Amino acid sequence: DAKTTQPNSMESNEEEPVHLPCNHSTISGTDYIHWYRQLPSQGPEYVIHGLTSNVNNRMASLAIAEDRKSSTLILHRATLRDAAVYYCILRDPRYRGGGADGLTFGKGTHLIIQP
Amino acid sequence: GAGVSQSPSNKVTEKGKDVELRCDPISGHTALYWYRQSLGQGLEFLIYFQGNSAPDKSGLPSDRFSAERTGGSVSTLTIQRTQQEDSAVYLCASSLTAGTPRNEQFFGPGTRLTVL
Repeated sequence: DAKTTQPNSMESNEEEPVHLPCNHSTISGTDYIHWYRQLPSQGPEYVIHGLTSNVNNRMASLAIAEDRKSSTLILHRATLRDAAVYYCILRDPRYRGGGADGLTFGKGTHLIIQP
Repeated sequence: GAGVSQSPSNKVTEKGKDVELRCDPISGHTALYWYRQSLGQGLEFLIYFQGNSAPDKSGLPSDRFSAERTGGSVSTLTIQRTQQEDSAVYLCASSLTAGTPRNEQFFGPGTRLTVL
């Protein structure tokens, strides 16, 4: 599976935008880019995903580089509740029905929000 | 609607005992996944079901681990002869179907297993 690289931690202030980077230089043409986050003492929750185009939803925006070798998760106005570990994950549609259908979580980025 | 539920939320057991962890997926979700998260470790994928079938069991840590799913709904993860290294949070997730990379997975709150 293609690997992702994220900074170990980032810090931001409340009500300011946050840009969380992810490098995936070995991404294949069919890999989807997914972001999940895990709040303290909770299971992970889905944030957003994309393939080639930038994506927006109620939680965040996903900016994907033109060569797809990197992406950035954007939280437009961080709140204290956004403090979590953010995971950037690649999912390959070719692994239909195989064990690779499970998500491969790396270490993620620990986002700290200062009030 | 109801999300993924898991029981028990906490389980303390003695080394050598068997434990059974339960997962109730979101109604209508045909795919179900088990993960574990050890202290200081990342999330590790264990096994998934499409319907009642688990196509690949190679992610299970040892032959003491088994999982089943009946009726395309509830799943149980069984750990036999538990060891201290089995202590972890066991997470269950479900999605509409497997094999579709666009589908998001919805996670339960997890079962914290402590083996003394």
